[in-house]
Amino acid sequence: AQTVTQSQPEMSVQEAETVTLSCTYDTSESDYYLFWYKQPPSRQMILVIRQEAYKQQNATENRFSVNFQKAAKSFSLKISDSQLGDAAMYFCAYRTEVYQAGTALIFGKGTTLSVSS
Amino acid sequence: DAGITQSPRHKVTETGTPVTLRCHQTENHRYMYWYRQDPGHGLRLIHYSYGVKDTDKGEVSDGYSVSRSKTEDFLLTLESATSSQTSVYFCAISPERKRETQYFGPGTRLLVL
Repeated sequence: AQTVTQSQPEMSVQEAETVTLSCTYDTSESDYYLFWYKQPPSRQMILVIRQEAYKQQNATENRFSVNFQKAAKSFSLKISDSQLGDAAMYFCAYRTEVYQAGTALIFGKGTTLSVSS
Repeated sequence: DAGITQSPRHKVTETGTPVTLRCHQTENHRYMYWYRQDPGHGLRLIHYSYGVKDTDKGEVSDGYSVSRSKTEDFLLTLESATSSQTSVYFCAISPERKRETQYFGPGTRLLVL
């Protein structure tokens, strides 16, 4: 079974600085998808970025980028020019490429990011 | 914004009472999911639906049932609520053209006393 591990329960960063959140996963599959979700105090789960395992190029979305190391099974999230609104819990998630209707996302336990001014 | 709403957003109930949570979506997505979020566990799948009247169990389905009589509504029912079902419940959808990606509703916080 696949597992997702986020080894940093809490991280902090100052405004305008860069922070990297770590995620590792375990799978025997060669094709899959990886995601980062943001959960602010409002509790809404917001999709931040998505990576397809068969693509070598790292995904980017504005100030958010990933470092996807397939052989190491590592998927870290880099937030550049951090803003106060980035303060949230961040979840890493895995999904198999094999499509079945009920295939769930497998989530890590989350990393709480605080941003100071 | 995937056009997902959940109701109620907050609910307090007593052990043994039935509770129904509603997920409503406005974009005719076929695939819908119910997750629960608990400290130390992340989000876990309860039930899912792949069409009207087509539903099946997820990882943590004991004590829950679902129904989907219309494309836009996916209902989660706790037949007899227990304190272990105190949690935050999220509904999610997958777009047809991006089925591996799930977008979440705002969540319902349920407290069972």
